Amino acid sequence: AQSVTQLGSHVSVSEGALVLLRCNYSSSVPPYLFWYVQYPNQGLQLLLKYTTGATLVKGINGFEAEFKKSETSFHLTKPSAHMSDAAEYFCAVSESGTGGFKTIFGAGTRLFVKA
Amino acid sequence: EAQVTQNPRYLITVTGKKLTVTCSQNMNHEYMSWYRQDPGLGLRQIYYSMNVEVTDKGDVPEGYKVSRKEKRNFPLILESPSPNQTSLYFCASSPPGGNEQFFGPGTRLTVL
Repeated sequence: AQSVTQLGSHVSVSEGALVLLRCNYSSSVPPYLFWYVQYPNQGLQLLLKYTTGATLVKGINGFEAEFKKSETSFHLTKPSAHMSDAAEYFCAVSESGTGGFKTIFGAGTRLFVKA
Repeated sequence: EAQVTQNPRYLITVTGKKLTVTCSQNMNHEYMSWYRQDPGLGLRQIYYSMNVEVTDKGDVPEGYKVSRKEKRNFPLILESPSPNQTSLYFCASSPPGGNEQFFGPGTRLTVL
């Protein structure tokens, strides 16, 4: 069965500092992995995804994530935080099911950026 | 503009009064899905659909029904809503391959 664990429900960084949001997953088959961002009062927006191929994935707004199979991790990073990065971030894992793709989301990590 | 729309955006209702939340996408996506979002729990999948007349349960299907009679529409039906269904609901769709999902703006439902 799939599962996703995001370490830390809240993360606070200073503007210009490194952003690191942690995600560990479990999956019985090769997974599809995603990071989504949710700004206040909005729906979720895809940041980046891993399906196959290169394990370092680059996304929008300067974010990237690395798929590490041995560690079952897919941590999200950004070298330098900006105030506009303040939002909630969700890691998700997806497998093929009988009717489509069943997707499991983590509980989310709210990122605060201090001036 | 490519988008997923949901209606209504906000709804307050009473226990037992049947309601439907509509979802429509204009991207010709085959895959659609419904989620509920609750604090501290992230998004939990209610139902998903690969194509017309093909649906499957997610992790929390109890108390919900869906139908997929047209490719663009995927309504969520609560036959007899209860207070524990008070939540923020999101519809999403995906292009063939079922990879990344495009989310609607959400429907905030309160059941009294």
